[in-house]
Amino acid sequence: QLQLQESGPGLVKPSETLSLTCTVSGGSISSSNYYWGWIRQPPGKGLEWIGSVSYSGSTYYNPSLKSRVTISVDTSKNQFSLKLSSVTAADTAVYYCASLLVSIISYYFDFWGQGTPVTVSS
Amino acid sequence: SSELTQDPAVSVALGQTVRITCQGDSLRSYYASWHQQKPGQAPVLVIYGKNNRPSGIPDRFSGSSSGNTASLTITGAQAEDEADYYCNSRDSSGNHLVLFGGGTKLTVL
Repeated sequence: QLQLQESGPGLVKPSETLSLTCTVSGGSISSSNYYWGWIRQPPGKGLEWIGSVSYSGSTYYNPSLKSRVTISVDTSKNQFSLKLSSVTAADTAVYYCASLLVSIISYYFDFWGQGTPVTVSS
Repeated sequence: SSELTQDPAVSVALGQTVRITCQGDSLRSYYASWHQQKPGQAPVLVIYGKNNRPSGIPDRFSGSSSGNTASLTITGAQAEDEADYYCNSRDSSGNHLVLFGGGTKLTVL
């Protein structure tokens, strides 16, 4: 079964760029059945989808974040990454990476990383 | 449409049956999945597709769908089922967007 692990700084200054990486093990990131996604959860709030990437590099972003988000994939390292620019305190959250199984009739996240907390503060 | 709507909170007596619902236009075209999240933990998939449970999920969890509403039913709720539950689906706009419901806090009394 897939295992995912987020990594990156836990503290980012306002106006800077948040950068996280997700390392996938137990399977190939090049699987055509999967997209790879980032989800965040602000303190005390619900889950928010940030965006997804396919193994070929096709990307899909939440319209509310699209202008600030870049997600990329590195198949040689079995990793995918998130960059969120111009961060503010509102971007403080636990950030999760997850595997997104896609089909004609459903999308669902079947495996999740443990999550990494990111605080935006000077 | 780009929204999935859930009731913020639901309660159930220990051992009884509870249904948690999720409404949205996209559910007319795509199945919902359901995730359970306990405090301080990552979400865990409990139901996907028409009514499928990942390995290790008890069979007291089941899913169903009708029109624009998907439901998660827990038959014989246990104390360990107390958690937040999130529905999730694909957006029906054709843009490969992903939707989450706002979550339902389940309390087992």
